[in-house]
Amino acid sequence: DGGITQSPKYLFRKEGQNVTLSCEQNLNHDAMYWYRQDPGQGLRLIYYSQIVNDFQKGDIAEGYSVSREKKESFPLTVTSAQKNPTAFYLCASSPGLAYSTDTQYFGPGTRLTVL
Amino acid sequence: GEDVEQSLFLSVREGDSSVINCTYTDSSSTYLYWYKQEPGAGLQLLTYIFSNMDMKQDQRLTVLLNKKDKHLSLRIADTQTGDSAIYFCAETSGSSASKIIFGSGTRLSIRP
Repeated sequence: DGGITQSPKYLFRKEGQNVTLSCEQNLNHDAMYWYRQDPGQGLRLIYYSQIVNDFQKGDIAEGYSVSREKKESFPLTVTSAQKNPTAFYLCASSPGLAYSTDTQYFGPGTRLTVL
Repeated sequence: GEDVEQSLFLSVREGDSSVINCTYTDSSSTYLYWYKQEPGAGLQLLTYIFSNMDMKQDQRLTVLLNKKDKHLSLRIADTQTGDSAIYFCAETSGSSASKIIFGSGTRLSIRP
């Protein structure tokens, strides 16, 4: 079964704690992305990675960190520095810039709630 | 700057056609996309169109692109209750090949 998995589906965090959201893909895609979605809004890009061991900040990177040690994995850490972390987090992957159609495919999302 | 705009809500009667509209600003976009999001789920790619095309049809879905007016539309024929969802229009970014710019989404509701 090919696809993108995110875990957990729901996550609760106390203020001041760091939490890590998992994203795994077995599509052999080079590129991976993290987005944040707030109610009634579109998706905002947090971080993206075009290749292993390399990643770039998106539009709202402050308070977040990522790593890309393996091609299939792109975990996102929401740190205590993120002022308003309650949101729906979506991970995506795409074949990569070497492909003519670098279409992004999405995982099922993780809903993070700060208590 | 790069921006994608959509109306927030659309209500149609079951069996009618739905037309969801989108305008974008980046004329150098290569691809334009339509994604569907059901409640509590991720985004599902519905279809995409290359910028040198005017129209693309895939079963009940028809995408029309007016590049002069920077207008994209998605028509869903014979709308069913399972089509209830949020529909996102998106374009590839002209300034960064890795980025996709999303609209805020149109919530489609179906009435009997």
